[in-house]
Amino acid sequence: DAGVIQSPRHEVTEMGQEVTLRCKPISGHDYLFWYRQTMMRGLELLIYFNNNVPIDDSGMPEDRFSAKMPNASFSTLKIQPSEPRDSAVYFCASSPRGAHTGELFFGEGSRLTVL
Amino acid sequence: AQSVTQLDSQVPVFEEAPVELRCNYSSSVSVYLFWYVQYPNQGLQLLLKYLSGSTLVKGINGFEAEFNKSQTSFHLRKPSVHISDTAEYFCAVSEYGGSQGNLIFGKGTKLSVKP
Repeated sequence: DAGVIQSPRHEVTEMGQEVTLRCKPISGHDYLFWYRQTMMRGLELLIYFNNNVPIDDSGMPEDRFSAKMPNASFSTLKIQPSEPRDSAVYFCASSPRGAHTGELFFGEGSRLTVL
Repeated sequence: AQSVTQLDSQVPVFEEAPVELRCNYSSSVSVYLFWYVQYPNQGLQLLLKYLSGSTLVKGINGFEAEFNKSQTSFHLRKPSVHISDTAEYFCAVSEYGGSQGNLIFGKGTKLSVKP
């Protein structure tokens, strides 16, 4: 079975540019999560969806970040405009019953570098 | 709110030696506890989980962890490590009855197994 698929795996961009990260969750999983991983702050939850509806976006750093889930098989995380401090690895994860069960299935991540 | 502390950021160990990765948590209610493993350039994978019942939990790849409520700890152990166990290990906690997005990760412990 295919796992969570993220693209791109690596993105290098210049400050001020728009960045779009994409995620395809595991089929049948009702929950989708976006995490950001940095050395300083570790793994942080940005936003999560249940049945394509955003439930908690309190972790989104600021208005430059937005996430959508137009259907059950696709989600995007957009940063506009990007800044050097946004450099991190962004993970998408899906779950059949929610993160609190620990049943999170992560993608391989998108490593973003903003110059 | 709950929190997780991983006491060691890096643990070097020789192959075939035992290892213990320490994790302490803080919460005012009952918790679920998890260990995840992240191999280089990959997403996190669930290693084992404690939801209820026996306090000794066995996971994949020969790892086990013991829930100690009085010491609020959930240390991860393996009696004999392999080179392939080199990875970063994350302890995580969610609260019983918490929201479906509620899963707090520790900062991680990098296990380095040397020949």
